[in-house]
Amino acid sequence: AQTVTQSQPEMSVQEAETVTLSCTYDTSESNYYLFWYKQPPSRQMILVIRQEAYKQQNATENRFSVNFQKAAKSFSLKISDSQLGDTAMYFCAFYPGGSQGNLIFGKGTKLSVKP
Amino acid sequence: NAGVTQTPKFRILKIGQSMTLQCTQDMNHNYMYWYRQDPGMGLKLIYYSVGAGITDKGEVPNGYNVSRSTTEDFPLRLELAAPSQTSVYFCASSYGTGPRNSPLHFGNGTRLTVT
Repeated sequence: AQTVTQSQPEMSVQEAETVTLSCTYDTSESNYYLFWYKQPPSRQMILVIRQEAYKQQNATENRFSVNFQKAAKSFSLKISDSQLGDTAMYFCAFYPGGSQGNLIFGKGTKLSVKP
Repeated sequence: NAGVTQTPKFRILKIGQSMTLQCTQDMNHNYMYWYRQDPGMGLKLIYYSVGAGITDKGEVPNGYNVSRSTTEDFPLRLELAAPSQTSVYFCASSYGTGPRNSPLHFGNGTRLTVT
């Protein structure tokens, strides 16, 4: 069974600094997709970034980038120039390539950005 | 666009009662999902649907039922509520072939307490 592990329950960072959130996963599949979702206090889940396992290039979206290490099954999220609005729970998620529905989530990392 | 709308936002049930959590989306998405989020945990998939008239079980379907008679609506039915069903419930939708190429759009969640 696939699993997603986020080893940092909570993190904090000063505004304008850079922070990296860790995620590891376990799978025997070769084709899959990885995601980072953000859940602010409003509770609504928002997609931050997406990575396809067959692509070696790390995905980037503005201030958000990932470090995807397929052999190590690691998928960390780097947030540059942190802003107060980045304060949220961040969930790493895994989607098997052949699946139809089950997006598997980690337990989340609570990030606090301090002024 | 309203996106994904869930009602109610909060609900308290007594053990053994039943209720339906409503979910509707106005984006013409074919995929719809129900997740539950327990405290300190990631989201777990309850049921999903790839189109009207088609539903399938996720990771934690016991105690729940769903139906999908229209593209827009995907209600979740709780029969004989139990304290273990105390959770925050999220409905989500996506288009195309699901999470691999379409981000999930989430509702704001329903906080359910069973006492």
